[in-house]
Amino acid sequence: SQQGEEDPQALSIQEGENATMNCSYKTSINNLQWYRQNSGRGLVHLILIRSNEREKHSGRLRVTLDTSKKSSSLLITASRAADTASYFCATDAWGNTPLVFGKGTRLSVIA
Amino acid sequence: KAGVTQTPRYLIKTRGQQVTLSCSPISGHRSVSWYQQTPGQGLQFLFEYFSETQRNKGNFPGRFSGRQFSNSRSEMNVSTLELGDSALYLCASSLEYRDTEAFFGQGTRLTVV
Repeated sequence: SQQGEEDPQALSIQEGENATMNCSYKTSINNLQWYRQNSGRGLVHLILIRSNEREKHSGRLRVTLDTSKKSSSLLITASRAADTASYFCATDAWGNTPLVFGKGTRLSVIA
Repeated sequence: KAGVTQTPRYLIKTRGQQVTLSCSPISGHRSVSWYQQTPGQGLQFLFEYFSETQRNKGNFPGRFSGRQFSNSRSEMNVSTLELGDSALYLCASSLEYRDTEAFFGQGTRLTVV
């Protein structure tokens, strides 16, 4: 299975601090994406990084990808209480394979 | 532009019954995927449809089935419900098959009692 595994499972930080979440996966991938989910609701796409990219930025988000280690990290800078949510990485491989999600990191940002 | 619409939002069913969940993708999107989310297993892939054809199926028993209509709307059906089927069922649509970004609906919360 290429399922991603996020680490840590839960993270609690103070507002203004940076939050880093990691994702590891098992097989070669085409793309890796990060999604956010507020409690019990649908997922929202945050950022996509392709297998030939190493780093990508979007606002306060920074994603890195290390294909040699089969891992990715999501950094949220200057976190806000509104960033409190679960964050999932999702991978897709070449060929006829679906998008596969990890189990997520639950981030709590305390005001 | 309306987002992905899932109906109903909440559902309570009894063991042994069957249930049908509906998903209307974003207008113009032709690919629809379904996921089951539970606290223990996380997001598990159920099906992927494109142009009314099932392109992928996850590792679920035959009680779980789905289909996609010519207008890209999709339904999934679970027969002979079990307590373990209680979950949040999420639908996601994409513009094309194997498109890179998926847009999710708010989900249907199914409780089996």
